[in-house]
Amino acid sequence: DVKVTQSSRYLVKRTGEKVFLECVQDMDHENMFWYRQDPGLGLRLIYFSYDVKMKEKGDIPEGYSVSREKKERFSLILESASTNQTSMYLCATTAGGSAYGYTFGSGTRLTVV
Amino acid sequence: AQSVTQLDSQVPVFEEAPVELRCNYSSSVSVYLFWYVQYPNQGLQLLLKYLSGSTLVESINGFEAEFNKSQTSFHLRKPSVHISDTAEYFCAVTSTGGGNKLTFGTGTQLKVEL
Repeated sequence: DVKVTQSSRYLVKRTGEKVFLECVQDMDHENMFWYRQDPGLGLRLIYFSYDVKMKEKGDIPEGYSVSREKKERFSLILESASTNQTSMYLCATTAGGSAYGYTFGSGTRLTVV
Repeated sequence: AQSVTQLDSQVPVFEEAPVELRCNYSSSVSVYLFWYVQYPNQGLQLLLKYLSGSTLVESINGFEAEFNKSQTSFHLRKPSVHISDTAEYFCAVTSTGGGNKLTFGTGTQLKVEL
């Protein structure tokens, strides 16, 4: 089975800090995604990547950037964390083709104080 | 672009009772449909999916969903729920024509009570 590992389950950061959320997958999948999950809003797509060094904006990219230097690793960066970025962040991957669906990591619950 | 509506944010139900979680979608193109489940403090897991063929799809733990193209719906049902089914359920849609982005609904919290 595909394994998607998010490095931190819980994270507390201060306003203005630069925050890195890491996601690693072990199945050589091209496609990787970052979502944030908030109560009542479901999952919203922040950024995604179809290949190394490629990135595309999702629906809510403001305040975020991403990095994909290696195929297995997709990092989400909060350039200057703000309290409204307190959320659950979920990384997902898929082999390719929309029929496969996603495999998700366990999530990182980020609190910005 | 696609969109998904899950009208019920919470559904309380007693154990062994039937349940239906509603999902309606909007799309101008053909779609694939998915249901994901999220247990407390975990990521999302694929529960079942409709790609083509039979409009009734089933999961290994007794859930089923029926694709209804005319009503643009993909409701999730289980004839008898168990306490362990307590979780949040997300409906998702993507187009069949390439690209991999899933669009999710806002989720339905299923709470099974004794």
